[in-house]
Amino acid sequence: GESVGLHLPTLSVQEGDNSIINCAYSNSASDYFIWYKQESGKGPQFIIDIRSNMDKRQGQRVTVLLNKTVKHLSLQIAATQPGDSAVYFCAEMWSNTGKLIFGQGTTLQVKP
Amino acid sequence: EPEVTQTPSHQVTQMGQEVILRCVPISNHLYFYWYRQILGQKVEFLVSFYNNEISEKSEIFDDQFSVERPDGSNFTLKIRSTKLEDSAMYFCASTRSGGGETQYFGPGTRLLVL
Repeated sequence: GESVGLHLPTLSVQEGDNSIINCAYSNSASDYFIWYKQESGKGPQFIIDIRSNMDKRQGQRVTVLLNKTVKHLSLQIAATQPGDSAVYFCAEMWSNTGKLIFGQGTTLQVKP
Repeated sequence: EPEVTQTPSHQVTQMGQEVILRCVPISNHLYFYWYRQILGQKVEFLVSFYNNEISEKSEIFDDQFSVERPDGSNFTLKIRSTKLEDSAMYFCASTRSGGGETQYFGPGTRLLVL
């Protein structure tokens, strides 16, 4: 069935540490993946994306890794800050209409 | 930086009433979407809209739901007869082209059906 999931519902890290949030997707035909950050009471905010012809993409303090062999996506946040505390969702794009399928979400808690 | 806006931010309604949720997508975007998020759950796709017609809709988007682009700037979601289970956050998103491009989300409308 269609599903995009994250391995851990909650991740707690110390400020300054690196965070890794994982996601497994189900549709091997998906060719576009996005990580969103959602703060309480707000809409999903774009963090970084990656297309299926890449296996790694870097942004500012964030890196997304894509392993198509095992259908796995990860988000790495370097030097995690208190402002990074939020729920993180991975999403895969299934069709030419742009329909996004979201995972369950991982809550990142950053301890000062 | 241009952004998607939504009104109202909160809506409380009685079961069986009609509600209209409004969105103003980013101005040069052509593809529009509605998603919903029940409290504590993941974001779920409802419908995509392009060129004044629905491109795709989910099982959630039944006959009680409709979408419209009444003018050049607004994009609306109507629920004709609300049910308790329609209580959720509703997010509008837009993108310049269709598949393969980032969707930018609005802040959402929190709908509570009593």
